[in-house]
Amino acid sequence: DQQVKQNSPSLSVQEGRISILNCDYTNSMFDYFLWYKKYPAEGPTFLISISSIKDKNEDGRFTVFLNKSAKHLSLHIVPSQPGDSAVYFCAASEGTSGSRLTFGEGTQLTVNP
Amino acid sequence: NAGVMQNPRHLVRRRGQEARLRCSPMKGHSHVYWYRQLPEEGLKFMVYLQKENIIDESGMPKERFSAEFPKEGPSILRIQQVVRGDSAAYFCASSPFSSTNNQPQHFGDGTRLSIL
Repeated sequence: DQQVKQNSPSLSVQEGRISILNCDYTNSMFDYFLWYKKYPAEGPTFLISISSIKDKNEDGRFTVFLNKSAKHLSLHIVPSQPGDSAVYFCAASEGTSGSRLTFGEGTQLTVNP
Repeated sequence: NAGVMQNPRHLVRRRGQEARLRCSPMKGHSHVYWYRQLPEEGLKFMVYLQKENIIDESGMPKERFSAEFPKEGPSILRIQQVVRGDSAAYFCASSPFSSTNNQPQHFGDGTRLSIL
C-alpha cells in the first residue's frame, strides 16, 4: 500500500523556468510533509517542510503548497538552476517529532542549461 | 562536520555472513531512524530508536535484523546471515527531541551493502 505517491518518475525543464514536482498521499493522519533532494551516492538533503495547519511555505527559490482536501502537495522551484538536477522525494509523517517518514518513489529532475 | 555519520560507506558480504552498519547522529540529536532503499525505489522506514530504547520497529523484518542505540557510542543496525535480497542502501537519520515543533530528520550518506 503506497501511502505517498509521486506519479512522475522524471521531469525536464529549462534553466530559469519553473519546476513543479507533485506528490499525492492517501493517509489522512499525515500532518507533516517534507521534501528532500538526493544526489547519487549521497543521502537525502532536507529542503523544505510544511505542517498541515498551513497551505504554503516558502524558502528562497523553493515553495511548497499543501491542498489537504485533495491530499496533494507540490514543490515549486523558481528559477530552476542546473544544480537543482537531482532526485526529489516527498515524505510525510503523523504526529509531532519522533515519527517515521513515509517516502514517495522520487522524481528525477533535470534542469537543462 | 557535525552531520550524521555512517560507516562503512560500502560493505561487501558473502551470503550467510553478518553485516554491521554504524550511525552517529548529529550532535544534540537524540532520535535515530534507519531506512532502506532498494534500487529504483523510495526509502522505506525500518526502525526508530532513542538512547537504549527501541521506539518503533514496525518496518524491521521479523528475522535476522536487529538495531540498537546504546547509551554510549553509535547506533548499530545488524543483519545476520545475509541474503542477496539484503543488497540495498541503508540510510540513517537523526532529529532533535521536540515535543512542540516538527523537526526534520537529517540523513547520513548511507551504507551501500552488497551481498555476493
